Amino acid sequence: AQSVTQLGSHVSVSEGALVLLRCNYSSSVPPYLFWYVQYPNQGLQLLLKYTSAATLVKGINGFEAEFKKSETSFHLTKPSAHMSDAAEYFCAVSAYYNQGGKLIFGQGTELSVKP
Amino acid sequence: NAGVTQTPKFQVLKTGQSMTLQCAQDMNHNSMYWYRQDPGMGLRLIYYSASEGTTDKGEVPNGYNVSRLNKREFSLRLESAAPSQTSVYFCASNYYGQGSVGYTFGSGTRLTVV
Repeated sequence: AQSVTQLGSHVSVSEGALVLLRCNYSSSVPPYLFWYVQYPNQGLQLLLKYTSAATLVKGINGFEAEFKKSETSFHLTKPSAHMSDAAEYFCAVSAYYNQGGKLIFGQGTELSVKP
Repeated sequence: NAGVTQTPKFQVLKTGQSMTLQCAQDMNHNSMYWYRQDPGMGLRLIYYSASEGTTDKGEVPNGYNVSRLNKREFSLRLESAAPSQTSVYFCASNYYGQGSVGYTFGSGTRLTVV
């Protein structure tokens, strides 16, 4: 079975500061890992995904994440926060070849960006 | 446009009423999913269908039923709506092949049960 824990339900950073959103996963098989962003009253947008290729994954809007198997982590980072980054971020895990490819989400982290 | 289409986008129900949320995808994906989103709880899987003709329970199936009508369509039914089912519902489908995997989400259905 797969599970995801996102550390911190709310993260606040200043504009221009580093963004770090933490995600730890549990999986009995090699995982696929995802980060999604959701702006208020909108649907989910894929930021990036890890599918067993390079461990450092670059996504849209300057975000990237590093898959660390030894730490079972997939933290999301961005060097310099913009006001437009304020949103809710979800980490998710799946193992396609196991149990119909269910995508399991973390509880989400709301990112606030202060001017 | 290719993607996942959910209907309706908004719905208000009275307690005890029934309704079906419709979902259709035109990408020839095998697997489809229904999620509900509640504040502070992320998206939780209600039911999924790994392939046409199969359905399985997810994390929170109580109070819901599903039908995989064909490869394109996967509907979610609330037989007797309860206020606890007030939520935003998302349908999704996925593909897997050549070492890659991806999920496509619908735009959501905002359901209020009063």
